[in-house]
Amino acid sequence: DAGVTQSPTHLIKTRGQHVTLRCSPISGHKSVSWYQQVLGQGPQFIFQYYEKEERGRGNFPDRFSARQFPNYSSELNVNALLLGDSALYLCASSLVSDRGYEQYFGPGTRLTVT
Amino acid sequence: AQSVTQLDSQVPVFEEAPVELRCNYSSSVSVYLFWYVQYPNQGLQLLLKYLSGSTLVESINGFEAEFNKSQTSFHLRKPSVHISDTAEYFCAVSQSTGNQFYFGTGTSLTVIP
Repeated sequence: DAGVTQSPTHLIKTRGQHVTLRCSPISGHKSVSWYQQVLGQGPQFIFQYYEKEERGRGNFPDRFSARQFPNYSSELNVNALLLGDSALYLCASSLVSDRGYEQYFGPGTRLTVT
Repeated sequence: AQSVTQLDSQVPVFEEAPVELRCNYSSSVSVYLFWYVQYPNQGLQLLLKYLSGSTLVESINGFEAEFNKSQTSFHLRKPSVHISDTAEYFCAVSQSTGNQFYFGTGTSLTVIP
């Protein structure tokens, strides 16, 4: 079975631009979460979606937004990119949004902002 | 609010020696705890988890972790490490509502031949 997939693998953008990252969860998983992992740090929670509704939001500015589609795939959008947005963006899926359910992580999208 | 502290950023250890990676958490409510491993240029893989029941949990590759509520700890141990265990290890706590994970800053385990 396919795991969590993310696209693109790598991305280079310049300051002020906009970026869209995509994630496809494991088949049957209805919850998708997004994390930002800055080099040398642990992943930081950005958003969680379940059944197309936002279930949680981390401490990130409004430049970050996301959505989930009827097929449970998800997009993370970041506007007005800053150098500090350079990071590995991880998507994770789980069966449901209840606590305790294992989250399965994708390989990530490496975003570099110049 | 929850937070996770991994006390050691880097742990070098010789092959076949034992290792302990420390993790402490703070939370005002009951928690679920996880250890994830990240190999270079890869995503996170679940190593083991504590949800309830026995406080000692084990993984299929010889790692174990013990939930200690009084000390708010969830340290990861392995009695004999292999070269292939070289990786970044992250401790995580699951939020009391929803399933948002809060991660520590990670411990880089390097196994020396």
